[in-house]
Amino acid sequence: QKEVEQDPGPLSVPEGAIVSLNCTYSNSAFQYFMWYRQYSRKGPELLMYTYSSGNKEDGRFTAQVDKSSKYISLFIRDSQPSDSATYLCAMTRDDKIIFGKGTRLHILP
Amino acid sequence: DAGVIQSPRHEVTEMGQEVTLRCKPISGHDYLFWYRQTMMRGLELLIYFNNNVPIDDSGMPEDRFSAKMPNASFSTLKIQPSEPRDSAVYFCASSLDSLSSGNTIYFGEGSWLTVV
Repeated sequence: QKEVEQDPGPLSVPEGAIVSLNCTYSNSAFQYFMWYRQYSRKGPELLMYTYSSGNKEDGRFTAQVDKSSKYISLFIRDSQPSDSATYLCAMTRDDKIIFGKGTRLHILP
Repeated sequence: DAGVIQSPRHEVTEMGQEVTLRCKPISGHDYLFWYRQTMMRGLELLIYFNNNVPIDDSGMPEDRFSAKMPNASFSTLKIQPSEPRDSAVYFCASSLDSLSSGNTIYFGEGSWLTVV
């Protein structure tokens, strides 16, 4: 079993819809949880960063962590075509960040 | 700050040739990471350094791969000899301090390697 599982998609939704992206993990040692966004032919950039179970909101983005279920989510409200990208979940253990494979998201105008 | 700077951005080389990828981390960052990204395997950590010292190279695929960090502002990833299966995007990233202390990493734009 991989340490971090993420559905690769692609996921296509109409503009304005709420998007839900998810990852599961198997290692209880993960301490910090992140979401990175990667545009085509660019490096990943940090979008959201959380530590504890619960929700964290930043504008149209909400990150949710459920440590008991080993499940993290990213919600995007009022999705825009500019949100079209690959979204990678990531988790820290020791001094390493382990990434999911990424979900390709397409927002249709 | 200019961010993490990688070169070359694109490289096409023939099988058997030596490839050298270069990275300049963000000034003041103590940690440097090399990742490889492919469609099949996603982002894989190859090696990381702390204060120019290699800490974990367990992700380096084989002896053909080597990485060095001669000083705080420069690192190289070398593949010799290169093979077609090495074709991927290679990312360098840096962090201010230990990830286990809550720091995160910042990526460069990547080096797109094609071995024919």
